[in-house]
Amino acid sequence: DADVTQTPRNRITKTGKRIMLECSQTKGHDRMYWYRQDPGLGLRLIYYSFDVKDINKGEISDGYSVSRQAQAKFSLSLESAIPNQTALYFCATTAGVGAYNEQFFGPGTRLTVL
Amino acid sequence: AQTVTQSQPEMSVQEAETVTLSCTYDTSESDYYLFWYKQPPSRQMILVIRQEAYKQQNATENRFSVNFQKAAKSFSLKISDSQLGDAAMYFCAYAPRDGSRLTFGEGTQLTVNP
Repeated sequence: DADVTQTPRNRITKTGKRIMLECSQTKGHDRMYWYRQDPGLGLRLIYYSFDVKDINKGEISDGYSVSRQAQAKFSLSLESAIPNQTALYFCATTAGVGAYNEQFFGPGTRLTVL
Repeated sequence: AQTVTQSQPEMSVQEAETVTLSCTYDTSESDYYLFWYKQPPSRQMILVIRQEAYKQQNATENRFSVNFQKAAKSFSLKISDSQLGDAAMYFCAYAPRDGSRLTFGEGTQLTVNP
């Protein structure tokens, strides 16, 4: 079984709808991240969390919110989706001891906002 | 803020040949980590190789090696004996010493021709 899972894998929604992307991990890691990938822009950090009580904004947090329900679960919400939020979204985890600890990525969620 | 730049949106190589992907970065820190990630069509993010800035020796992983030039803030990836399975998007990434977050470059799409 995959260590980092994301649901759904693909989602098509309409402008103005609320949508939640979910991430779960079985690696026992404290640190979790949400990234967005756009062609020609690479991956950009949306939010990150170092533990259940710690939530931090990344470089492109506007229009997004997150919830760390447990050590293993980190959800990303779009309160009112807009077309320019169409992208590939990744969740990642790391043990947090230091940067040498590899970030492990989920399989990604392809989100299309019409 | 740290930035990572990959100036080659696309590269191609013949099977069994060698190719070098370029990456430059900007930081005021003296200690940090650099990574190369591979993203095949499956869209899974896979760590290829990593380098600690305080280590002078260039990292190697089988057919993959880096040329780390700290003064020039350059971190290129060399793929030797290219294989069809190496075809993917490659991302260069930077992390500060505390491992708090990754900053990615724009990506280089590598095509391997048989």
